[in-house]
Amino acid sequence: DAGVIQSPRHEVTEMGQEVTLRCKPISGHDYLFWYRQTMMRGLELLIYFNNNVPIDDSGMPEDRFSAKMPNASFSTLKIQPSEPRDSAVYFCASSFGVRPTEGTGELFFGEGSRLTVL
Amino acid sequence: GQSLEQPSEVTAVEGAIVQINCTYQTSGFYGLSWYQQHDGGAPTFLSYNALDGLEETGRFSSFLSRSDSYGYLLLQELQMKDSASYFCAVKAGNNRKLIWGLGTSLAVNP
Repeated sequence: DAGVIQSPRHEVTEMGQEVTLRCKPISGHDYLFWYRQTMMRGLELLIYFNNNVPIDDSGMPEDRFSAKMPNASFSTLKIQPSEPRDSAVYFCASSFGVRPTEGTGELFFGEGSRLTVL
Repeated sequence: GQSLEQPSEVTAVEGAIVQINCTYQTSGFYGLSWYQQHDGGAPTFLSYNALDGLEETGRFSSFLSRSDSYGYLLLQELQMKDSASYFCAVKAGNNRKLIWGLGTSLAVNP
């Protein structure tokens, strides 16, 4: 398997522009997570899906952020309009779900999308 | 609130042993994970402890004490390639949200 695939790897845009980040999870994984990483705040969970359904979006910072998962092999994270404070590395991760008492809950991360908003 | 604490930076020399501690305060607890991240790349899973004791995987070992809400990652025979950030993360509650520490930056010097 190719692992979790994210695109673009780097994105530089100007304030006010729309940004769309893409993710292809590992085939067979039923959980997908979007994280944001900054030096100040570390890894923050933005939203996660189970079987393509959003389960918890409490980490989405504001209405400018939205995420979709139209099918089991694709998800997007959109920021509209983007602001300089959105500059960060955005990671997508997937996992295979079992009960919390079973398994390690190992997350498989993509290489991330480094976003710079000028 | 829920929180994890780990040192922000650790420095060691090649061939040495280093221990990275993690203390946690969470509602509920299933297990403690460790992840490694090189230079902002993809975090990768290292280990998971659900029960008290030491788990060994090659040069890396991870320890958990549930009664002390404490764990550590032990890296032996350090190599330059071990220079990276190491994150502890707790699986707690019935949802899928891992609770993450802020990471420990390990620098291995010659």
